[in-house]
Amino acid sequence: DAGITQSPRHKVTETGTPVTLRCHQTENHRYMYWYRQDPGHGLRLIHYSYGVKDTDKGEVSDGYSVSRSKTEDFLLTLESATSSQTSVYFCATNQQGSKYGNTIYFGEGSWLTVV
Amino acid sequence: GENVEQHPSTLSVQEGDSAVIKCTYSDSASNYFPWYKQELGKRPQLIIDIRSNVGEKKDQRIAVTLNKTAKHFSLHITETQPEDSAVYFCAASDPSGTYKYIFGTGTRLKVLA
Repeated sequence: DAGITQSPRHKVTETGTPVTLRCHQTENHRYMYWYRQDPGHGLRLIHYSYGVKDTDKGEVSDGYSVSRSKTEDFLLTLESATSSQTSVYFCATNQQGSKYGNTIYFGEGSWLTVV
Repeated sequence: GENVEQHPSTLSVQEGDSAVIKCTYSDSASNYFPWYKQELGKRPQLIIDIRSNVGEKKDQRIAVTLNKTAKHFSLHITETQPEDSAVYFCAASDPSGTYKYIFGTGTRLKVLA
């Protein structure tokens, strides 16, 4: 399971409040990702990181920000939660890239409900 | 950027039959194609992958084929069992060198006993 832990695992929050999800890894993987999973949409990339303080946007980054101050931690923040951000959020990691892609490993997921 | 389409969205097969899930990708420079299985309430887990220098790969009852010319790849499960019931995702590496992975929308496989 690549030593990835997400917290919190379940959260209910109110519209307009800020929310931070944390991803912690113990494998010293360089690359980290945040995906959201919604019915009919599969897994969509929100943001990713290719090193400490190095981040970039994915497919659905509006309304989200990320930070990576240490190799092992990647934080996802919803600045002002909306009902459309109700979803399951998965963190994933990938070791240093090779000529071909490497396996990405997923955390257990964080279920977020915005009411 | 890379786009991945996956079909069918749902698939029901009788136990013992074969199941095939197909994906197409848009960028011919993509070079890595993993498949993930996700059981209800669990995380996606890698079941097999293929790199662009290989046309086919097998692992027991599971196989993946890649057609670079047509830009599509397929997952084949033979002798299906009830425990194969899950959602399956294909993915393709983004060839921009950023090690991003773009996923298909998933196939819900039901194996009927």
